[in-house]
Amino acid sequence: GAVVSQHPSWVICKSGTSVKIECRSLDFQATTMFWYRQFPKQSLMLMATSNEGSKATYEQGVEKDKFLINHASLTLSTLTVTSAHPEDSSFYICSARGRQGRVFPFFGQGTRLTVV
Amino acid sequence: TQLLEQSPQFLSIQEGENLTVYCNSSSVFSSLQWYRQEPGEGPVLLVTVVTGGEVKKLKRLTFQFGDARKDSSLHITAAQPGDTGLYLCAGANHNAGNMLTFGGGTRLMVKP
Repeated sequence: GAVVSQHPSWVICKSGTSVKIECRSLDFQATTMFWYRQFPKQSLMLMATSNEGSKATYEQGVEKDKFLINHASLTLSTLTVTSAHPEDSSFYICSARGRQGRVFPFFGQGTRLTVV
Repeated sequence: TQLLEQSPQFLSIQEGENLTVYCNSSSVFSSLQWYRQEPGEGPVLLVTVVTGGEVKKLKRLTFQFGDARKDSSLHITAAQPGDTGLYLCAGANHNAGNMLTFGGGTRLMVKP
């Protein structure tokens, strides 16, 4: 099956610093990638959708200047949490969708971000 | 905006019991996916249902898509501790590029 790899699995950073999370599609070309945030014991909340080579579309309430998304290639998208604060601590999950024939998105393993 | 309501939110049962999780919406979906997620990991796809009235079985798990494609259910027979996890339903629409709309999730705990 299609594999989506997310890195790192967990990261601890100091308040005020920036953190970059990578999402890679390993065996298919991901034309679209989705970034989700998940709080403990809750469901996934879509943050933004990115299509390769174009600007990401952010969901209402998600600050695009704080959560920078880059989808420069068909196999890699990155989410950078800028000037992180403790309230940004969460589980971030990406999913990737390929061209026709790979319709439903496959999920990465998630990244646990803790801002101290 | 399409919404999916999932119930119950939390379920704690003894090993061997049966359970059903429901996913309901007022909107029609082209397809519906069920995922299982363990702590610290991403969701893993269990099944996709596409046709109204469709029933799919995966060992002790039975998935059903409503005739009108607005609701779905997941039934687990003789639950085992290994079934413990967060179960998520997610609807998709072809007209919206198959972007997923997630339900709130059901946290299942099966006690030995």
